Amino acid sequence: EIVLTQFPGTLSVSPGERATLSCRASQSVSNSYLAWYQQRPGQAPRLLIHAASSRATGIPDRFSGSGSGTDFTLTISSLEPEDFAVYSCQQYGSSPLTFGGGTKVEIK
Amino acid sequence: QLQLQESGPGLVQPSETLSLTCTVSGVSISGNNFYWGWIRQPPGKGLEWIGTIYFSGRTYYNPSLKSRVTLSVDTSKNHFSLKLNSVTAADAAAYFCARDVMGDGFFDLWGRGTLVTVSS
Repeated sequence: EIVLTQFPGTLSVSPGERATLSCRASQSVSNSYLAWYQQRPGQAPRLLIHAASSRATGIPDRFSGSGSGTDFTLTISSLEPEDFAVYSCQQYGSSPLTFGGGTKVEIK
Repeated sequence: QLQLQESGPGLVQPSETLSLTCTVSGVSISGNNFYWGWIRQPPGKGLEWIGTIYFSGRTYYNPSLKSRVTLSVDTSKNHFSLKLNSVTAADAAAYFCARDVMGDGFFDLWGRGTLVTVSS
């Protein structure tokens, strides 16, 4: 199975600043089938990005995804207060579907 | 309003069977090539895919759990269910149900999750 490693584990950022989150796969992700999710405490996870760079419906354009092969990035261009949360990547290019361990974005 | 809601016991005894149901509202569980999945998250850890089911009953399981998992769907009640047998402390987690549009493998809509503790 493909193991996804996310780094950093925790990212301390000030509101208005840019955040760059990384997700590295143990082997190439087929067709760049990589998704990103946001998790706030007590809330349902929310799909942000699929196919590495396609924003999901209703997701603000400050969220962007990039990458291919084994290295993927989620960028939040200017952090809003509601963006402080945990972000997880997921590959769906091969079975079993697997997720990364998550990156927590906290207020600096 | 389109939403998914998990329900079931919050406490399961070791070696027993964990049973959860996901009730779908706002959309037909058998419509538009929707697939329905279960994902879990142990405390402080990452998400783990358990399996996915189509309304026809076709299932896809994570090999690591396949021997203990059964997914089912009840279109008349617009819900789908998870059974995990022979549970241990390692199965304690928040369990989420989610929708996979077109069976692509990613999940565009999630429930809030339900926490399951395994203890005697």
